[in-house]
Amino acid sequence: EAGVAQSPRYKIIEKRQSVAFWCNPISGHATLYWYQQILGQGPKLLIQFQNNGVVDDSQLPKDRFSAERLKGVDSTLKIQPAKLEDSAVYLCASSLASREETQYFGPGTRLLVL
Amino acid sequence: AQKITQTQPGMFVQEKEAVTLDCTYDTSDPSYGLFWYKQPSSGEMIFLIYQGSYDQQNATEGRYSLNFQKARKSANLVISASQLGDSAMYFCAMREPYSGGGADGLTFGKGTHLIIQP
Repeated sequence: EAGVAQSPRYKIIEKRQSVAFWCNPISGHATLYWYQQILGQGPKLLIQFQNNGVVDDSQLPKDRFSAERLKGVDSTLKIQPAKLEDSAVYLCASSLASREETQYFGPGTRLLVL
Repeated sequence: AQKITQTQPGMFVQEKEAVTLDCTYDTSDPSYGLFWYKQPSSGEMIFLIYQGSYDQQNATEGRYSLNFQKARKSANLVISASQLGDSAMYFCAMREPYSGGGADGLTFGKGTHLIIQP
């Protein structure tokens, strides 16, 4: 079974530029999460989707971050404009359904904002 | 107050020894879930073990076991017979009680960097 796929794996941009990350969850997984992991810290939840609806985006900085999951499968996370403090690893995870024991994570996208 | 506390930033352990990684948590609700994830240098988070707050027995998965002490709000990970491939960051995480709507994102600790020495 294929795992969670993410692209790109690495991205370097200058501050005030835009960037987008893509995630393809495990086939059949209805729930999708985006986490931000700053160096030296644990991941922090940004947004959770159930199918194509947002369940929780309380920690998403909505002035610059946006995310969508239009057809309930793939998801994109966008930052516009990027700030230096957005440098982090962005992890996508999926689970079969909400409240499932296991969230499966992708390899992440490492973003460096200069 | 931090919801998940991991007090060991780093640990060095000899190969084949057992290792205990500490985790304490803070919640006032009786229903919650506790997780341990491994993150090698490649960056992917690998699920290791899960413990539900109502589970009567400590969870075990192969060489991993969770020492769950509910009254002390402690959920330590025990790795038996450590191997060189166990070298990685280890994160403890908690899933909050169900608040309706299906929100169940995990809250992670800061992690422990485990290095297994030959």
